[in-house]
Amino acid sequence: SAVISQKPSRDICQRGTSLTIQCQVDSQVTMMFWYRQQPGQSLTLIATANQGSEATYESGFVIDKFPISRPNLTFSTLTVSNMSPEDSSIYLCSVIGTSVPSSYNEQFFGPGTRLTVL
Amino acid sequence: TQLLEQSPQFLSIQEGENLTVYCNSSSVFSSLQWYRQEPGEGPVLLVTVVTGGEVKKLKRLTFQFGDARKDSSLHITAAQPGDTGLYLCAGAPPDSWGKFQFGAGTQVVVTP
Repeated sequence: SAVISQKPSRDICQRGTSLTIQCQVDSQVTMMFWYRQQPGQSLTLIATANQGSEATYESGFVIDKFPISRPNLTFSTLTVSNMSPEDSSIYLCSVIGTSVPSSYNEQFFGPGTRLTVL
Repeated sequence: TQLLEQSPQFLSIQEGENLTVYCNSSSVFSSLQWYRQEPGEGPVLLVTVVTGGEVKKLKRLTFQFGDARKDSSLHITAAQPGDTGLYLCAGAPPDSWGKFQFGAGTQVVVTP
């Protein structure tokens, strides 16, 4: 399994500002994912971040609003730009690891960043 | 898009009772995972089922993967308050690097 850390764990921000969330993994991974989760709800995929290429965004999410960096195989950042109260949510990063020796894929999550926008 | 339907959405039971959560799809998954998430934390992987018909046990939790690898169930025996949380299922698509498909989640509340 992969150990994933996120910073900050929570933040309260003012409308119109931006917040950058960091995700650090303890091993090199090809694909990293960013999700958003409303309270009590399931996960909504924002984008897939691959090292060395631009992130791939899901329908309803755009790069100007959620720019992503992936400078190396263990680190990624997600920025929530020009925030509004509707952006209040939990943001999660995740990676896919391959189990050994069975060789099937498993997805692991960071602890999340709880964002409140006033 | 492979849809994964999870039911029920909400389950409130007394300590000591049993419960079952279901995940169903019309599509085949190469594997299916179950997570539990507690408030303020990220989802924690409980188990991965891979083979059709597979049954895995984790203490009081029993996970089953359907023969056709389209559905799965999670059964908790003698539930305890510590089992409270949001349970999520996620299916891995047949292609190796495709996106996992998540169910809507089941909020389980176990009261003493």
